[in-house]
Amino acid sequence: SQTIHQWPATLVQPVGSPLSLECTVEGTSNPNLYWYRQAAGRGLQLLFYSVGIGQISSEVPQNLSASRPQDRQFILSSKKLLLSDSGFYLCAWRPGPGTEQYFGPGTRLTVT
Amino acid sequence: GQQVMQIPQYQHVQEGEDFTTYCNSSTTLSNIQWYKQRPGGHPVFLIQLVKSGEVKKQKRLTFQFGEAKKNSSLHITATQTTDVGTYFCAGAGNTPLVFGKGTRLSVIA
Repeated sequence: SQTIHQWPATLVQPVGSPLSLECTVEGTSNPNLYWYRQAAGRGLQLLFYSVGIGQISSEVPQNLSASRPQDRQFILSSKKLLLSDSGFYLCAWRPGPGTEQYFGPGTRLTVT
Repeated sequence: GQQVMQIPQYQHVQEGEDFTTYCNSSTTLSNIQWYKQRPGGHPVFLIQLVKSGEVKKQKRLTFQFGEAKKNSSLHITATQTTDVGTYFCAGAGNTPLVFGKGTRLSVIA
């Protein structure tokens, strides 16, 4: 069966520090991968998605970037965090268009 | 681009009352999905509707897809405290899912 992992579960970082969040999927190949951010009590904001290795589409221009170095690995990064980067970061995958989406457990990021 | 509007934003009900959330798309959808996010958790897939006018039931939950495939609803009969959470609809197609902003349901025991 398929499993999606995200780490860390919680993170507190100072403003201006770098960020690296990792997401891996097991039990499938060539998944569509997604990064979302959810502010407290708010909806899901799509940040990046990838349909294959090295292919990244950005939905919202900001100080974040994403990479997909391996088929089942998706990384979200920032060189310098802003206070507004605080939120709940969710990685998700789905087999392809028109299929259901599976979310990881998320990382709660607080930028202080 | 495609937009999916969801109302209401919040709903507070007494346990045992019914609850409905509505989803409207600016464009015709190939299909629509519903997700539930429990407080502190991550969204979990509930169901997908594909056909025009489709109705599906999961115990006390009833999902409908409009005839024009531009709107959908989720109805919960006799809410329970376990129904607490945020319900999201998402328009599905060849592009990434377009999520509504969600309806947060509170159930007062």
